[in-house]
Amino acid sequence: DTGVSQDPRHKITKRGQNVTFRCDPISEHNRLYWYRQTLGQGPEFLTYFQNEAQLEKSRLLSDRFSAERPKGSFSTLEIQRTEQGDSAMYLCASSLAGDYNEQFFGPGTRLTVL
Amino acid sequence: AQSVAQPEDQVNVAEGNPLTVKCTYSVSGNPYLFWYVQYPNRGLQFLLKYITGDNLVKGSYGFEAEFNKSQTSFHLKKPSALVSDSALYFCAVRDISGDMRFGAGTRLTVKP
Repeated sequence: DTGVSQDPRHKITKRGQNVTFRCDPISEHNRLYWYRQTLGQGPEFLTYFQNEAQLEKSRLLSDRFSAERPKGSFSTLEIQRTEQGDSAMYLCASSLAGDYNEQFFGPGTRLTVL
Repeated sequence: AQSVAQPEDQVNVAEGNPLTVKCTYSVSGNPYLFWYVQYPNRGLQFLLKYITGDNLVKGSYGFEAEFNKSQTSFHLKKPSALVSDSALYFCAVRDISGDMRFGAGTRLTVKP
C-alpha cells in the first residue's frame, strides 16, 4: 500500500503523559498536514510542512503540541502533558505542492486521554 | 478567514433517486473547493475539486458538483444514488492563505 500511513492507530494514555504519533506520507509528496477531528466535526487544521519547513501553525496548536519533519519525509506530532480535551482523532495528509492540489489522508490515530 | 457551512447534518434518499449534499462557503478572493467522503473506520477520500474553469466538475464514483459564485455554493450531486454511497461527506475550502477549512460534515444514508 503506497498511501499515507499513521502509527499507532489507537493510543490510550493517562492525563499528564506525553504521546507521539508518526505519519508517513506518500513518497513523492512534499507537503504534509496534521489535522484534529472530534466526533461530529470536520477535520481542524493544526499545521503543515513543505519538505522539512513548518510553514503554518493553527492557533489550536498550543505550546504543548510540537510537530517535526526532520528530513522532509515522515513527520511526528508530539503532545506533552496530555489533557482529556486532547482526546480526538489525529489525521495526517499529504499532497504535492500547490494549494489547488488535493490532499490524501491517512487512517488517523485515535487518542483517548483518561 | 475562510469558512464553509454544510446546512444539513443528515440527508436521506432512496436508492436510484438523485441526491444533493449542500455546501456554502465564505472566502477572500477566488476559492479552491473540495469534496471528501469518509467511510466508517477509513480515512477521508478525495472526491472532486473546483479550481477554475467550468462550473460543473465531475469526480469519482459518479459524483459531480456545481460551483455557483453568486450563491457562494458548491453542492455535491449524483443522478442516481447507491446504497454504497452511504457515508459522511465533507466540503472544504481553501483560499490564498493556504489553510484548508472543512465543514462539519453531512451524513448521507441511501435506503434500498
